Amino acid sequence: EPEVTQTPSHQVTQMGQEVILRCVPISNHLYFYWYRQILGQKVEFLVSFYNNEISEKSEIFDDQFSVERPDGSNFTLKIRSTKLEDSAMYFCASSTGTEQFFGPGTRLTVL
Amino acid sequence: AQSVTQLDSQVPVFEEAPVELRCNYSSSVSVYLFWYVQYPNQGLQLLLKYLSGSTLVESINGFEAEFNKSQTSFHLRKPSVHISDTAEYFCAVSERTDKLIFGTGTRLQVFP
Repeated sequence: EPEVTQTPSHQVTQMGQEVILRCVPISNHLYFYWYRQILGQKVEFLVSFYNNEISEKSEIFDDQFSVERPDGSNFTLKIRSTKLEDSAMYFCASSTGTEQFFGPGTRLTVL
Repeated sequence: AQSVTQLDSQVPVFEEAPVELRCNYSSSVSVYLFWYVQYPNQGLQLLLKYLSGSTLVESINGFEAEFNKSQTSFHLRKPSVHISDTAEYFCAVSERTDKLIFGTGTRLQVFP
């Protein structure tokens, strides 16, 4: 059964450093999303991506964040200068237009 | 704007007892409704969904949810829970290809 994959599973970084979180969506999906979940809190929407451009972004998704689909298979989330409050689990999801399938997540720890 | 309310943050229950996890939503348009389950230290798994048609939807592991438009609810039920059902359950709403809006989650703890 096809699934969404994410790498790395855990990323530790120093405050101010850049991180790139990678996702491989399900191959025939057209809609891509990033969400995050701060420990003990609910899952929050960050950004949606369709037809090679951002279709919607939340207030959280400020200028420090960017997304890219560089090669038709990967979907990346970049945080340019990490802050302590960026520590969270980041989930990628993909969809054909109805239900979204989630990856296992990347736990980002900012020290 | 859409929102989802899960009134119960924790639901403790004994094994083989029935359980209901409540979910209410608000939206000005037609929506899709979902329940996702998150086991400890794992990602989100789709448990069941309402897109259209029959208001009662079922999962393969015995959970069911009923879409009630007049009460704007999508409560999750199971007639007899197992220890393995212990997890965090998230109700979510979306407008078709739009983002998912999640509730705050309900932690179901099943005791032997």
